[in-house]
Amino acid sequence: DVKVTQSSRYLVKRTGEKVFLECVQDMDHENMFWYRQDPGLGLRLIYFSYDVKMKEKGDIPEGYSVSREKKERFSLILESASTNQTSMYLCASSTAFQPQHFGDGTRLSIL
Amino acid sequence: AQTVTQSQPEMSVQEAETVTLSCTYDTSESDYYLFWYKQPPSRQMILVIRQEAYKQQNATENRFSVNFQKAAKSFSLKISDSQLGDAAMYFCVHSGGGADGLTFGKGTHLIIQP
Repeated sequence: DVKVTQSSRYLVKRTGEKVFLECVQDMDHENMFWYRQDPGLGLRLIYFSYDVKMKEKGDIPEGYSVSREKKERFSLILESASTNQTSMYLCASSTAFQPQHFGDGTRLSIL
Repeated sequence: AQTVTQSQPEMSVQEAETVTLSCTYDTSESDYYLFWYKQPPSRQMILVIRQEAYKQQNATENRFSVNFQKAAKSFSLKISDSQLGDAAMYFCVHSGGGADGLTFGKGTHLIIQP
């Protein structure tokens, strides 16, 4: 069974901090994704990666960056956290033309 | 760009009854995939059912089935014999396949009444 693990279920940070959200998958998937989920808006794609060291912007990349140094790990970085980045963050992975598998999510609060 | 519209923010159904969740989408692609995902209070996003656009036959998975109308760009989910464990937020999702991200609808909150 595919396992996508996000490092934290809950995280509280302060405005201006640099924040790292980590995601690891154990199925050798080439594709990995970061979404944010807000009430009434569904999930929106922030960034995705289809290979090591490759990254593509999604629909809402502003204020975020990503890093994929190893195939199994995809990190989301908030360079200078702001209150409007308080949200639920979901990581997913997939292989070609197969459904995405999701982690349990990280609920991030920026104070 | 793709868009996915779920017009029902919330639906309620009696246990053991049948409920249908609506979804319409817009895409310029001829080949794509459609999914229904559910997200229970535990938060994990779980795949319910998938449909390849090139297949005319509607997908079924046990009590879950879809009505896929490609020309109308409609993709509804029918849940038969509703169970308490079906209570969740349901998302209709479009994918172009490959490495592209998913496009989600805003979700329908399904309530199961005992």
